Amino acid sequence: KNEVEQSPQNLTAQEGEFITINCSYSVGISALHWLQQHPGGGIVSLFMLSSGKKKHGRLIATINIQEKHSSLHITASHPRDSAVYICATEGSQGNLIFGKGTKLSVKP
Amino acid sequence: NAGVTQTPKFQVLKTGQSMTLQCAQDMNHEYMSWYRQDPGMGLRLIHYSVGAGITDQGEVPNGYNVSRSTTEDFPLRLLSAAPSQTSVYFCASSFGQGIYNEQFFGPGTRLTVL
Repeated sequence: KNEVEQSPQNLTAQEGEFITINCSYSVGISALHWLQQHPGGGIVSLFMLSSGKKKHGRLIATINIQEKHSSLHITASHPRDSAVYICATEGSQGNLIFGKGTKLSVKP
Repeated sequence: NAGVTQTPKFQVLKTGQSMTLQCAQDMNHEYMSWYRQDPGMGLRLIHYSVGAGITDQGEVPNGYNVSRSTTEDFPLRLLSAAPSQTSVYFCASSFGQGIYNEQFFGPGTRLTVL
């Protein structure tokens, strides 16, 4: 079974800071997902990637398949970025295995 | 589009009671899944379906039952509720696998079993 580890578990940043959240996994995957869980509980998909890098606004996701590692970066962080960020790996049958999440708090 | 809807939002049960959590999507997605989220743990897959009439077990299926008679609906049944089933339940759907596997989540159902 794939083990998905996220770090850090908790992260507090000042508004404007550059943020990095890391995700490591133990076995080969077909894709990696980054999701955001709002304080109210709703979960939305941010990225799906199987190689390289993707960018959406101030969010950047990268993956290194050889090292079994992915990072989520937030540039110019804002208090509205405060949420739990979840990494999930996708196996060959499409099922996801989730990390425990990184709780981000951005202070004004 | 309403996306993925779940009912109820909150539910309190007594041990031994049964109930059904409803999930529906209007995006014509083939893949639907049920997850539970517990404090300090990642989302865990309970059951999933790759199309109408096809279901399979996930990581934590015991005590739960599912069926998929239509593309739109994927109800989760608790057969005899236990306190260990106190959790937040999320239903999710996607169009397919690989590049079609963007997950769309419902708003969740918070279940307490006394």
